[in-house]
Amino acid sequence: QKEVEQNSGPLSVPEGAIASLNCTYSDRGSQSFFWYRQYSGKSPELIMFIYSNGDKEDGRFTAQLNKASQYVSLLIRDSQPSDSATYLCAAPPVRGGADGLTFGKGTHLIIQP
Amino acid sequence: EADIYQTPRYLVIGTGKKITLECSQTMGHDKMYWYQQDPGMELHLIHYSYGVNSTEKGDLSSESTVSRIRTEHFPLTLESARPSHTSQYLCASSELSGGWHGYTFGSGTRLTVV
Repeated sequence: QKEVEQNSGPLSVPEGAIASLNCTYSDRGSQSFFWYRQYSGKSPELIMFIYSNGDKEDGRFTAQLNKASQYVSLLIRDSQPSDSATYLCAAPPVRGGADGLTFGKGTHLIIQP
Repeated sequence: EADIYQTPRYLVIGTGKKITLECSQTMGHDKMYWYQQDPGMELHLIHYSYGVNSTEKGDLSSESTVSRIRTEHFPLTLESARPSHTSQYLCASSELSGGWHGYTFGSGTRLTVV
């Protein structure tokens, strides 16, 4: 059974600081990972995906993947109150599983003004 | 503008009623999905489709059924709604290579069965 684990939080970060969100996964066959942001009462929106070891940067967001340690993280620089949301980590299916992304429970991030 | 649409946005219905949640996308995506999400909980895959006339059950057992007669349309039906079906239902779509590009989600239907 593929599992994606996240600390549910809440994670409280002062405005302007770096928010660090972490995710671990159990299936060594997983090749790529997605970070979604979900505001309360809204549907998830894709903000980053990563499939290579190392870092991938997009604006204030940096995704980090370490396949040997089976974790993926998301860094948000210069955190803004509008970044307050739940961040979902997701992994795609590997052979033999149901063909849909598996999501973690999400980390609730609060940016304090 | 290419998008994915879900209707209704909110639905309150009595026990035993038959309901259909609508999902349509204008992006020409082959793969479509239904997820169920309770408040504060993770998304669970309940149905997916590779294309027309393809439907599969997801990881979470569900009493709902789906159909895919047209590429753009992927409705979900509950023949007899029960309070245990109260949840948010999210529809998503992706290209066949969705494993690399992720999903686009609709705005969701929040269902309450009383």
